[in-house]
Amino acid sequence: GENVEQHPSTLSVQEGDSAVIKCTYSDSASNYFPWYKQELGKGPQLIIDIRSNVGEKKDQRIAVTLNKTAKHFSLHITETQPEDSAVYFCAGLNTNAGKSTFGDGTTLTVKP
Amino acid sequence: NAGVTQTPKFRILKIGQSMTLQCTQDMNHNYMYWYRQDPGMGLKLIYYSVGAGITDKGEVPNGYNVSRSTTEDFPLRLELAAPSQTSVYFCASSQGALSNQPQHFGDGTRLSIL
Repeated sequence: GENVEQHPSTLSVQEGDSAVIKCTYSDSASNYFPWYKQELGKGPQLIIDIRSNVGEKKDQRIAVTLNKTAKHFSLHITETQPEDSAVYFCAGLNTNAGKSTFGDGTTLTVKP
Repeated sequence: NAGVTQTPKFRILKIGQSMTLQCTQDMNHNYMYWYRQDPGMGLKLIYYSVGAGITDKGEVPNGYNVSRSTTEDFPLRLELAAPSQTSVYFCASSQGALSNQPQHFGDGTRLSIL
């Protein structure tokens, strides 16, 4: 089955700096890669996703890049703000299998 | 909008007890999922359903049961609770297959088994 590894497990940045979280996946058939943000005491919320026919996607301060050859994808947050502090999860999905495999999460802390 | 509602928010069980975690969604979504989240870990899929009357096992189904008699409700049953089932449980729903539609998550049920 699919295995998704996420790094780093914790990340601390100064407000205004950029943050990058990386994930690798094992199943070459995976073709959909969502990113979720989880705030304390809440369920995960989808923030951005990318499909395997696209190399990069951007939504305001958030971007995701995908390298299918190397089987890794990354989340980029620019101009970080304290409200970006949360746990971020990546996931990989083979649409034929229909189920997501999640990374173990990255705790991002943005210091004011 | 209510979205996905989970009850209870917190529960403490004794070993061997049973309970049902409730999940209901008001978005008329066909797909529903149950995950568990252990400390410092990602989400592990327990069971899922692609529509009323249809359920299937996920990655970690042992010790759990589900039913899907209506589109709105997807309860998760724990029989003979064990300490290894201490976790945070999340229910989610989506309109269609995950490749086309995002999942909407509830706020979780924090379960401790002592």
